[in-house]
Amino acid sequence: QKEVEQNSGPLSVPEGAIASLNCTYSDRGSQSFFWYRQYSGKSPELIMFIYSNGDKEDGRFTAQLNKASQYVSLLIRDSQPSDSATYLCAVTGSNTGKLIFGQGTTLQVKP
Amino acid sequence: ETGVTQSPTHLIKTRGQQVTLRCSSQSGHNTVSWYQQALGQGPQFIFQYYREEENGRGNFPPRFSGLQFPNYSSELNVNALELDDSALYLCASRPTGGNSGNTIYFGEGSWLTVV
Repeated sequence: QKEVEQNSGPLSVPEGAIASLNCTYSDRGSQSFFWYRQYSGKSPELIMFIYSNGDKEDGRFTAQLNKASQYVSLLIRDSQPSDSATYLCAVTGSNTGKLIFGQGTTLQVKP
Repeated sequence: ETGVTQSPTHLIKTRGQQVTLRCSSQSGHNTVSWYQQALGQGPQFIFQYYREEENGRGNFPPRFSGLQFPNYSSELNVNALELDDSALYLCASRPTGGNSGNTIYFGEGSWLTVV
């Protein structure tokens, strides 16, 4: 079992729709959860982080965390073609700073 | 702009050779980590340095080694290069005591191709 699992996709949504990206993790001790966006040929860019159960909203992005189910998701509202990228889910343990990444989900937003 | 710079951006090496990748972090960023990202995969943790000492290592062989210097720069060295070492190598830094989440900054990466 991988430590962090994501569906590799591609996930294809029409422009203006809601894109839903999902991630599960195996270590119940994980404390911090992150979503990175990575454009082709570029390095990962942090777009959201969440530590507590529930929802966290930042503009068009909402991160959702359910520690009991070991599940974290990212919702992108009003998806734009510029959102087309690979989205990486990452988790850390207790203050180690080591990020454990999933393999990423490719999102395609079609005009 | 993350304040983390890496060099070189691209390089090609021959199998069996050695390579040194460099990273320069922001002042005060005492923790630096290196990640390897193969094509189509998520980044994999190689190791982490704190105040010039290695304090965490992933599942990578000893031919992957590193150094961290007092001026917030660091190096990743890979000996006896193999074809599977071809990847994007990412440097990430964070300040001491910073919330471990939102203050991890990645550089733009070094693309290594081994032929």
